[in-house]
Amino acid sequence: AQTVTQSQPEMSVQEAETVTLSCTYDTSESDYYLFWYKQPPSRQMILVIRQEAYKQQNATENRFSVNFQKAAKSFSLKISDSQLGDAAMYFCAYRSPGWRDDKIIFGKGTRLHILP
Amino acid sequence: EAGVTQFPSHSVIEKGQTVTLRCDPISGHDNLYWYRRVMGKEIKFLLHFVKESKQDESGMPNNRFLAERTGGTYSTLKVQPAELEDSGVYFCASSQSSRRTDTQYFGPGTRLTVL
Repeated sequence: AQTVTQSQPEMSVQEAETVTLSCTYDTSESDYYLFWYKQPPSRQMILVIRQEAYKQQNATENRFSVNFQKAAKSFSLKISDSQLGDAAMYFCAYRSPGWRDDKIIFGKGTRLHILP
Repeated sequence: EAGVTQFPSHSVIEKGQTVTLRCDPISGHDNLYWYRRVMGKEIKFLLHFVKESKQDESGMPNNRFLAERTGGTYSTLKVQPAELEDSGVYFCASSQSSRRTDTQYFGPGTRLTVL
């Protein structure tokens, strides 16, 4: 079974600085999808960034980028120029490519604090 | 366009009572998912509907949980009778199809507290 591990329950970063959130996962599949979701205090969870395992290029969305290391099964999220609105719980997640098991597997989350 | 909505936002009930949670997916989304996060743990999959059919209910904890999606529109998740360990946040998500490239859009969640 696939698992997702986030080893940092909480992190803090100074506003305008860069922070990296760690995530590792375990799977025997060769093709899959990885995600970072953000859940601000208002609780609506939104997709931040997505990476398809067959793509070697790391995904980027504005100030958010990932470092995808397939062999190491590592998928970290880098937030550049941190803003107060980035304060949230961040979940790393995995999705299988097959037609079965259409579910997302989440890590426990990392709570990110932005210090003004 | 309205997002996924859930009702109520918060429910507090006594052990042994019944609670029904509702999820309204994004209009036109055939796929509807329920997830749950118990305090301090991962968000875990409960089940998946495609239209009104249960595609996968492997994550349902036990037979005290009953999910329905009449007419393939909104869905309800009933817990009867509720136990203390059922406390947590219940999330609903929807997507247009089951293609893995289709994003699952999440609702704000229902926080259930069982006393």
